[in-house]
Amino acid sequence: AQSVTQLDSHVSVSEGTPVLLRCNYSSSYSPSLFWYVQHPNKGLQLLLKYTSAATLVKGINGFEAEFKKSETSFHLTKPSAHMSDAAEYFCVVSVYTGTASKLTFGTGTRLQVTL
Amino acid sequence: NAGVTQTPKFRILKIGQSMTLQCTQDMNHNYMYWYRQDPGMGLKLIYYSVGAGITDKGEVPNGYNVSRSTTEDFPLRLELAAPSQTSVYFCASWVTGLSSYEQYFGPGTRLTVT
Repeated sequence: AQSVTQLDSHVSVSEGTPVLLRCNYSSSYSPSLFWYVQHPNKGLQLLLKYTSAATLVKGINGFEAEFKKSETSFHLTKPSAHMSDAAEYFCVVSVYTGTASKLTFGTGTRLQVTL
Repeated sequence: NAGVTQTPKFRILKIGQSMTLQCTQDMNHNYMYWYRQDPGMGLKLIYYSVGAGITDKGEVPNGYNVSRSTTEDFPLRLELAAPSQTSVYFCASWVTGLSSYEQYFGPGTRLTVT
């Protein structure tokens, strides 16, 4: 079985300051991990993905995440927040069981960016 | 490629009505999925399909039916709509051989049952 825990339901930062969104996972298999972003009333956009290559993954819009197997974490960071980063962020673990690829979503972290 | 498309974008149903949410992908992906997203929550898997003619239940299948007669289409049927089915529905697809296991999502259908 697999699960994802997003440790903060809401994060508020000032524009220009760093962003940290925390995610822990558990999986019986070697997982692939993703961060998706969802702007209000929009669909899901893939930010970045980890697939057992480099542990530091760079994504779009200046986001990056580091896979730490010993800590079972995949935290999302950005050096400097922008107003347009305000959205809901989902950490997702994917496992291929031999039958299907299945995604398990975290409950989301709402990022608020203030002036 | 259009990717994954969903229709309609919005729909309001009365309790007890039925409807079909359409999902089409043009990437020749063999796997297709239906998720629902309730307010303030992540996505939960309703049904998935590993190819034409093969479907299986996900985490929250009650109240829904699916069929997969072609590789491209994966409609989701709601029978006897209930207020608990008010949600945003996302369709996704994936193909075996993609090492990343990334699923491609449609834009969603926002359904309200009153």
